[in-house]
Amino acid sequence: NAGVTQTPKFQVLKTGQSMTLQCAQDMNHNSMYWYRQDPGMGLRLIYYSASEGTTDKGEVPNGYNVSRLNKREFSLRLESAAPSQTSVYFCASRDPTSYNEQFFGPGTRLTVL
Amino acid sequence: DAKTTQPPSMDCAEGRAANLPCNHSTISGNEYVYWYRQIHSQGPQYIIHGLKNNETNEMASLIITEDRKSSTLILPHATLRDTAVYYCIVRGINTNAGKSTFGDGTTLTVKP
Repeated sequence: NAGVTQTPKFQVLKTGQSMTLQCAQDMNHNSMYWYRQDPGMGLRLIYYSASEGTTDKGEVPNGYNVSRLNKREFSLRLESAAPSQTSVYFCASRDPTSYNEQFFGPGTRLTVL
Repeated sequence: DAKTTQPPSMDCAEGRAANLPCNHSTISGNEYVYWYRQIHSQGPQYIIHGLKNNETNEMASLIITEDRKSSTLILPHATLRDTAVYYCIVRGINTNAGKSTFGDGTTLTVKP
């Protein structure tokens, strides 16, 4: 049981490049989330997916797109990366059977030059 | 989800109890209080949650006021490894609930 996994762990992009951050969970959770965390700041919700086939905007969705590929996988895409998107990105899933406790992945550290 | 207010930072002496406050004055009747912590840029980790009764587990205790407008997370004997950012969030129990937002949390520094 790996929990929530994220790839890659680190990434450096140039301004304007695109990339997709991958997230997968093996706990059969319905809900999945993408957060970003800037240095010294708290977590801000980018997008979430309450269940397979649905996605909704969070607090800071501009510049991002998401895909809930299946129940296990939830990807985050940066179409044209900007330096303001330099951050640590966390994926999380939520347990519908345990008072909705959230489980987080280890994070992806993204730098946009 | 109701908003929460936490102090930005707190210090605690090693071995003493750490009491972390959280205000959630707009909490509604079906919303729970959750606490998470984030150690050194790792992913946040669940600590404890409660509705209206005080709760205790192996990590911490949670005291919720009778009017449910505030709560306190208690780490009974803080260690250096408890230095972390602690997040208090409020949300409802719903199998397919959507948003789950975090604020900036409280940075707890445990000092020798």
